[in-house]
Amino acid sequence: DTGVSQDPRHKITKRGQNVTFRCDPISEHNRLYWYRQTLGQGPEFLTYFQNEAQLEKSRLLSDRFSAERPKGSFSTLEIQRTEQGDSAMYLCASSLGGTSVDEQYFGPGTRLTVT
Amino acid sequence: AQKVTQAQTEISVVEKEDVTLDCVYETRDTTYYLFWYKQPPSGELVFLIRRNSFDEQNEISGRYSWNFQKSTSSFNFTITASQVVDSAVYFCALSEAQGAQKLVFGQGTRLTINP
Repeated sequence: DTGVSQDPRHKITKRGQNVTFRCDPISEHNRLYWYRQTLGQGPEFLTYFQNEAQLEKSRLLSDRFSAERPKGSFSTLEIQRTEQGDSAMYLCASSLGGTSVDEQYFGPGTRLTVT
Repeated sequence: AQKVTQAQTEISVVEKEDVTLDCVYETRDTTYYLFWYKQPPSGELVFLIRRNSFDEQNEISGRYSWNFQKSTSSFNFTITASQVVDSAVYFCALSEAQGAQKLVFGQGTRLTINP
């Protein structure tokens, strides 16, 4: 399977704990995105990487959130001191990053439940 | 700011009926891209189509067709002879042509095809 993969698929945590999610993009894709989707809503942009550089962050990404993409390959999204409002599906997507706007391919997501 | 509106929250039709999903967008950019994604019950977003703002030709792919009208800022999606497997949530999305090229999604339309 050469699609975007995410791990874990589900995470249940207690409020106040830290969690980390991993995304492995399609291997030749330069661009990597994180989105958050809550029930009944469309995905909302969180952050974007071009290779290893984090070039844009949404205002949704509070100080408790941090993302990395070391060496321009996989990416991690960490949430510190989780709150119940963080419960959502976290989606990772990647795209080729050519001269035009390429379609983004999405992973299966990590569903986070904060109790 | 960019915005996508999908006014139809839910649509339910009987198999073999034709159904049109509406999408209206707002942007100040002269160059932009429009997308449709399908999110089946399994949860993974599946890319359907990409269209740039300079290409107003309608497109047909099997039972799927898309009508892009710049004059009304609409990018509607029609499924002809619907099938039960078409049941899913469908999202329309808008992307800037430069920078992060992040997707701005509508709220989605839940389509149910009844046998």
